[in-house]
Amino acid sequence: QKEVEQNSGPLSVPEGAIASLNCTYSDRGSQSFFWYRQYSGKSPELIMSIYSNGDKEDGRFTAQLNKASQYVSLLIRDSQPSDSATYLCAVYTGRRALTFGSGTRLQVQP
Amino acid sequence: DGGITQSPKYLFRKEGQNVTLSCEQNLNHDAMYWYRQDPGQGLRLIYYSQIVNDFQKGDIAEGYSVSREKKESFPLTVTSAQKNPTAFYLCASSTRGLAGGQGEQFFGPGTRLTVL
Repeated sequence: QKEVEQNSGPLSVPEGAIASLNCTYSDRGSQSFFWYRQYSGKSPELIMSIYSNGDKEDGRFTAQLNKASQYVSLLIRDSQPSDSATYLCAVYTGRRALTFGSGTRLQVQP
Repeated sequence: DGGITQSPKYLFRKEGQNVTLSCEQNLNHDAMYWYRQDPGQGLRLIYYSQIVNDFQKGDIAEGYSVSREKKESFPLTVTSAQKNPTAFYLCASSTRGLAGGQGEQFFGPGTRLTVL
């Protein structure tokens, strides 16, 4: 079992819809959770961090964390074609550095 | 502007050569990291450093070496022992998080290395 798992996609949504990206992790002791956006050929850009159970909203983005079920999700409201990218989930387990999932590719159709 | 810089943006290496990738940050972060990303793949940790003059191997350290003589700098050398070095190399640094754990991690723009 991978430490951080994401569906590779592509996840295709129409413009204006809500995109829902999911991530599960295996280490119950995980402390910090992050979502990155990576455009093709570019480096990852941090878009959300979440540390405690519940929802955290920032503009069109909402991160949701459920430690009991060991999943973290990212909702993107009013999706735009410019949101088309690969979204990486990253988890800090307290050991070394962040552990990254392999990413979900999102396509927003105009 | 605060941030992380990497140079060069593109690098071409002949077989048998060592090359060094530069990474500098002015965010006053203690921790710095090197990752490798292959096409369509996730990020794999090469080396990391949590404090000056100390660094640790990541998951794929063979064929790579690093130094951390200054807080701001964490150069990566790709040696001739690395058999398949063509990849996108990403440097990152992070804040200190809650209870001494890791806070937010930020990436530089990356160096794309190609072996000729």
